[in-house]
Amino acid sequence: DAGVTQSPTHLIKTRGQHVTLRCSPISGHKSVSWYQQVLGQGPQFIFQYYEKEERGRGNFPDRFSARQFPNYSSELNVNALLLGDSALYLCASGSASGSHNEQFFGPGTRLTVL
Amino acid sequence: SQQGEEDPQALSIQEGENATMNCSYKTSINNLQWYRQNSGRGLVHLILIRSNEREKHSGRLRVTLDTSKKSSSLLITASRAADTASYFCAPWAVEGAGSYQLTFGKGTKLSVIP
Repeated sequence: DAGVTQSPTHLIKTRGQHVTLRCSPISGHKSVSWYQQVLGQGPQFIFQYYEKEERGRGNFPDRFSARQFPNYSSELNVNALLLGDSALYLCASGSASGSHNEQFFGPGTRLTVL
Repeated sequence: SQQGEEDPQALSIQEGENATMNCSYKTSINNLQWYRQNSGRGLVHLILIRSNEREKHSGRLRVTLDTSKKSSSLLITASRAADTASYFCAPWAVEGAGSYQLTFGKGTKLSVIP
């Protein structure tokens, strides 16, 4: 079975631009979460979506937004890119939005902002 | 914060030896998940241990959880060079109504020398 897939793998943008990252969860999973991982740190929670509704939001500015589609895939959008947005963006899927929920991560999208 | 903090930050062992990594967190959790990450790639889910469990095994992995001490440990027995990676613990708890997230520390960087 296919795991969590993310696209693109790598992306280079310049300051001020906009970026859209995509994620497809494991088949049958309805929950998608987004994390940002900067070099040398652990992943930081950005959003969780379940059944197309936002269930949680981390401490990120409004430049970050996301949505989940009827097929449970998801997009993460970042506006007005800053150099500090350079990071590995990870998507995780889970079968439910509950607290006993294993989260499976995709390979990530490496974003570089110049 | 529920953030997991791993100890030590770095660990270097010979192939065949056992590796033990520790994790501490600050508040009550529903479960705690361990992940492995190879060189800036996606996170691989290793084990989920629930708050009412004390020990769990998966192949060469053994995870313990002590909720009274708010700590967990990951033991990798008979290590192999392929176990070289960063290991993260991630407590999972409700942060406000309807918000579920994993919170990661900086991880333990394990090097297994052939």
